[in-house]
Amino acid sequence: EAGVAQSPRYKIIEKRQSVAFWCNPISGHATLYWYQQILGQGPKLLIQFQNNGVVDDSQLPKDRFSAERLKGVDSTLKIQPAKLEDSAVYLCASSLDGTTYNEQFFGPGTRLTVL
Amino acid sequence: RKEVEQDPGPFNVPEGATVAFNCTYSNSASQSFFWYRQDCRKEPKLLMSVYSSGNEDGRFTAQLNRASQYISLLIRDSKLSDSATYLCVVTKEYYKLSFGAGTTVTVRA
Repeated sequence: EAGVAQSPRYKIIEKRQSVAFWCNPISGHATLYWYQQILGQGPKLLIQFQNNGVVDDSQLPKDRFSAERLKGVDSTLKIQPAKLEDSAVYLCASSLDGTTYNEQFFGPGTRLTVL
Repeated sequence: RKEVEQDPGPFNVPEGATVAFNCTYSNSASQSFFWYRQDCRKEPKLLMSVYSSGNEDGRFTAQLNRASQYISLLIRDSKLSDSATYLCVVTKEYYKLSFGAGTTVTVRA
Protein backbone atom coordinates (compact mmCIF):
# COMPACT_ATOMS: atom_id res chain seq x y z
CA GLU A 1 0.00 0.00 0.00
CA ALA A 2 1.37 3.41 -0.93
CA GLY A 3 2.18 5.72 1.94
CA VAL A 4 1.72 9.44 2.34
CA ALA A 5 3.43 11.32 -0.48
CA GLN A 6 4.87 14.79 -0.14
CA SER A 7 6.68 17.14 -2.49
CA PRO A 8 9.03 18.78 -2.77
CA ARG A 9 11.40 17.01 -0.37
CA TYR A 10 13.62 20.05 0.01
CA LYS A 11 13.12 23.76 -0.57
CA ILE A 12 15.41 26.72 -0.05
CA ILE A 13 13.97 30.22 -0.33
CA GLU A 14 14.78 33.72 0.81
CA LYS A 15 12.75 35.47 3.45
CA ARG A 16 9.65 37.22 2.19
CA GLN A 17 9.30 34.75 -0.69
CA SER A 18 6.36 32.38 -1.02
CA VAL A 19 6.41 28.61 -0.96
CA ALA A 20 3.89 25.79 -1.33
CA PHE A 21 3.97 22.17 -0.25
CA TRP A 22 1.85 19.33 -1.55
CA CYS A 23 0.57 16.21 0.19
CA ASN A 24 -1.25 13.13 -1.07
CA PRO A 25 -2.59 11.02 1.83
CA ILE A 26 -3.10 7.29 1.97
CA SER A 27 -6.10 6.31 -0.13
CA GLY A 28 -9.28 6.22 1.90
CA HIS A 29 -7.96 8.27 4.79
CA ALA A 30 -10.46 10.94 5.70
CA THR A 31 -8.25 12.91 8.06
CA LEU A 32 -5.19 14.86 6.99
CA TYR A 33 -2.77 16.76 9.21
CA TRP A 34 0.01 19.25 8.60
CA TYR A 35 2.72 19.48 11.24
CA GLN A 36 5.71 21.74 11.63
CA GLN A 37 8.82 20.20 13.17
CA ILE A 38 11.59 22.61 14.10
CA LEU A 39 15.02 21.07 14.70
CA GLY A 40 15.23 19.60 18.18
CA GLN A 41 11.49 19.76 18.79
CA GLY A 42 8.56 17.43 18.35
CA PRO A 43 6.04 17.92 15.56
CA LYS A 44 3.51 20.70 16.18
CA LEU A 45 0.07 20.44 14.62
CA LEU A 46 -0.68 23.31 12.25
CA ILE A 47 -4.00 22.22 10.77
CA GLN A 48 -6.27 19.18 10.69
CA PHE A 49 -8.76 18.40 7.92
CA GLN A 50 -11.64 15.97 8.09
CA ASN A 51 -12.41 15.27 4.43
CA ASN A 52 -12.29 18.80 2.97
CA GLY A 53 -13.36 20.62 6.13
CA VAL A 54 -11.05 22.19 8.70
CA VAL A 55 -11.32 20.61 12.16
CA ASP A 56 -8.55 22.51 13.92
CA ASP A 57 -6.34 25.34 12.73
CA SER A 58 -5.77 26.99 16.09
CA GLN A 59 -1.97 26.86 15.79
CA LEU A 60 -1.77 27.94 12.18
CA PRO A 61 -0.25 31.44 11.79
CA LYS A 62 -3.04 32.62 9.56
CA ASP A 63 -1.40 35.90 8.65
CA ARG A 64 1.12 34.00 6.55
CA PHE A 65 0.10 30.34 6.39
CA SER A 66 -2.82 28.90 4.46
CA ALA A 67 -3.90 25.38 3.62
CA GLU A 68 -6.57 23.76 1.57
CA ARG A 69 -7.79 20.29 0.83
CA LEU A 70 -9.89 20.41 -2.27
CA LYS A 71 -12.11 17.40 -2.98
CA GLY A 72 -11.08 15.87 0.33
CA VAL A 73 -7.94 14.20 -1.02
CA ASP A 74 -4.73 16.13 -1.80
CA SER A 75 -3.74 19.12 0.24
CA THR A 76 -1.45 22.10 -0.16
CA LEU A 77 0.15 24.23 2.53
CA LYS A 78 1.36 27.70 1.58
CA ILE A 79 3.55 30.22 3.34
CA GLN A 80 3.45 33.82 2.15
CA PRO A 81 5.68 35.62 3.00
CA ALA A 82 8.20 33.30 4.63
CA LYS A 83 10.22 34.30 7.69
CA LEU A 84 13.51 32.92 8.96
CA GLU A 85 11.72 31.15 11.81
CA ASP A 86 9.68 29.13 9.32
CA SER A 87 12.75 26.99 8.63
CA ALA A 88 11.58 23.51 9.62
CA VAL A 89 10.39 20.18 8.31
CA TYR A 90 6.75 20.22 7.27
CA LEU A 91 5.18 16.84 7.81
CA CYS A 92 1.90 15.68 6.37
CA ALA A 93 0.08 12.80 8.03
CA SER A 94 -3.17 10.98 7.45
CA SER A 95 -5.44 8.66 9.38
CA LEU A 96 -8.63 6.78 8.71
CA ASP A 97 -10.64 9.34 10.64
CA GLY A 98 -10.07 11.84 13.41
CA THR A 99 -13.04 11.10 15.60
CA THR A 100 -11.46 8.17 17.40
CA TYR A 101 -7.82 7.32 17.68
CA ASN A 102 -6.45 5.85 14.50
CA GLU A 103 -2.74 5.60 13.86
CA GLN A 104 -1.38 8.59 12.02
CA PHE A 105 0.89 7.76 9.10
CA PHE A 106 3.44 10.40 8.23
CA GLY A 107 4.93 11.34 4.91
CA PRO A 108 8.69 11.92 4.47
CA GLY A 109 8.32 15.65 5.00
CA THR A 110 9.47 18.77 3.18
CA ARG A 111 12.59 20.35 4.62
CA LEU A 112 12.31 24.14 4.26
CA THR A 113 15.25 26.47 4.68
CA VAL A 114 14.55 30.20 4.73
CA LEU A 115 17.64 32.38 4.18
CA ARG B 1 4.76 24.46 31.31
CA LYS B 2 5.01 22.31 28.19
CA GLU B 3 2.23 19.81 27.56
CA VAL B 4 4.68 16.95 27.17
CA GLU B 5 8.23 17.00 28.53
CA GLN B 6 11.00 14.54 27.87
CA ASP B 7 14.63 14.17 28.87
CA PRO B 8 16.36 14.89 25.55
CA GLY B 9 19.28 12.57 26.36
CA PRO B 10 21.24 11.40 24.57
CA PHE B 11 21.28 8.00 26.19
CA ASN B 12 24.40 6.30 24.92
CA VAL B 13 24.33 2.57 25.69
CA PRO B 14 26.22 -0.54 24.56
CA GLU B 15 24.52 -3.30 22.62
CA GLY B 16 22.66 -5.65 24.91
CA ALA B 17 22.09 -3.05 27.61
CA THR B 18 18.76 -1.97 29.03
CA VAL B 19 17.77 1.66 28.72
CA ALA B 20 14.73 3.38 30.18
CA PHE B 21 13.41 6.91 30.09
CA ASN B 22 10.31 8.82 31.07
CA CYS B 23 8.05 11.51 29.81
CA THR B 24 5.71 13.71 31.85
CA TYR B 25 2.50 15.33 30.70
CA SER B 26 0.64 18.30 32.14
CA ASN B 27 -2.99 17.66 31.24
CA SER B 28 -4.54 15.27 33.74
CA ALA B 29 -7.46 14.76 31.36
CA SER B 30 -5.22 13.25 28.68
CA GLN B 31 -6.73 10.05 27.45
CA SER B 32 -4.37 8.14 25.19
CA PHE B 33 -0.63 7.73 25.19
CA PHE B 34 1.86 6.50 22.64
CA TRP B 35 5.50 6.17 21.83
CA TYR B 36 6.58 7.10 18.31
CA ARG B 37 10.02 6.44 16.90
CA GLN B 38 11.80 8.89 14.61
CA ASP B 39 15.01 7.92 12.85
CA CYS B 40 17.42 10.66 11.86
CA ARG B 41 15.93 12.80 9.08
CA LYS B 42 12.95 10.47 8.75
CA GLU B 43 9.30 10.73 9.61
CA PRO B 44 7.84 9.60 12.96
CA LYS B 45 6.35 6.11 13.10
CA LEU B 46 4.16 4.56 15.77
CA LEU B 47 6.18 2.29 18.05
CA MET B 48 3.50 1.29 20.52
CA SER B 49 0.46 2.42 22.40
CA VAL B 50 0.65 2.73 26.19
CA TYR B 51 -2.09 1.11 28.22
CA SER B 52 -3.01 1.73 31.84
CA SER B 53 -1.96 -1.77 32.84
CA GLY B 54 1.37 -1.50 31.07
CA ASN B 55 2.24 -3.42 27.96
CA GLU B 56 5.09 -5.14 26.20
CA ASP B 57 5.99 -5.49 22.56
CA GLY B 58 9.00 -7.72 22.22
CA ARG B 59 11.93 -5.96 23.86
CA PHE B 60 9.93 -2.81 24.52
CA THR B 61 7.89 -2.21 27.67
CA ALA B 62 5.70 0.83 28.22
CA GLN B 63 4.20 1.93 31.53
CA LEU B 64 1.68 4.62 32.43
CA ASN B 65 1.39 6.28 35.82
CA ARG B 66 -1.70 8.48 35.78
CA ALA B 67 -1.31 9.61 39.40
CA SER B 68 2.12 11.08 38.70
CA GLN B 69 1.34 11.86 35.06
CA TYR B 70 4.26 10.12 33.47
CA ILE B 71 4.90 7.48 30.85
CA SER B 72 7.96 5.32 30.58
CA LEU B 73 9.63 3.26 27.90
CA LEU B 74 12.12 0.50 28.60
CA ILE B 75 14.20 -1.18 25.93
CA ARG B 76 15.82 -4.49 26.81
CA ASP B 77 18.74 -6.12 25.01
CA SER B 78 19.39 -2.97 22.94
CA LYS B 79 20.25 -3.40 19.28
CA LEU B 80 22.15 -1.03 17.03
CA SER B 81 18.90 -0.59 15.11
CA ASP B 82 17.23 0.85 18.22
CA SER B 83 19.25 4.05 17.77
CA ALA B 84 16.62 6.72 17.17
CA THR B 85 14.67 9.52 18.81
CA TYR B 86 11.68 8.33 20.81
CA LEU B 87 8.75 10.74 20.87
CA CYS B 88 6.27 10.65 23.70
CA VAL B 89 2.78 11.41 22.44
CA VAL B 90 -0.33 12.31 24.41
CA THR B 91 -3.79 12.94 23.08
CA LYS B 92 -5.56 16.14 23.86
CA GLU B 93 -9.25 16.56 23.23
CA TYR B 94 -10.73 14.98 20.15
CA TYR B 95 -7.71 12.71 19.72
CA LYS B 96 -5.35 15.47 18.73
CA LEU B 97 -1.79 14.39 19.32
CA SER B 98 0.66 16.42 21.36
CA PHE B 99 4.29 15.43 20.85
CA GLY B 100 7.22 15.73 23.20
CA ALA B 101 10.56 16.91 21.85
CA GLY B 102 11.96 13.39 21.96
CA THR B 103 14.61 11.36 23.75
CA THR B 104 17.62 10.37 21.69
CA VAL B 105 19.02 6.88 22.17
CA THR B 106 22.31 5.80 20.65
CA VAL B 107 23.29 2.15 20.86
CA ARG B 108 26.99 1.49 20.28
CA ALA B 109 28.67 -1.73 19.24
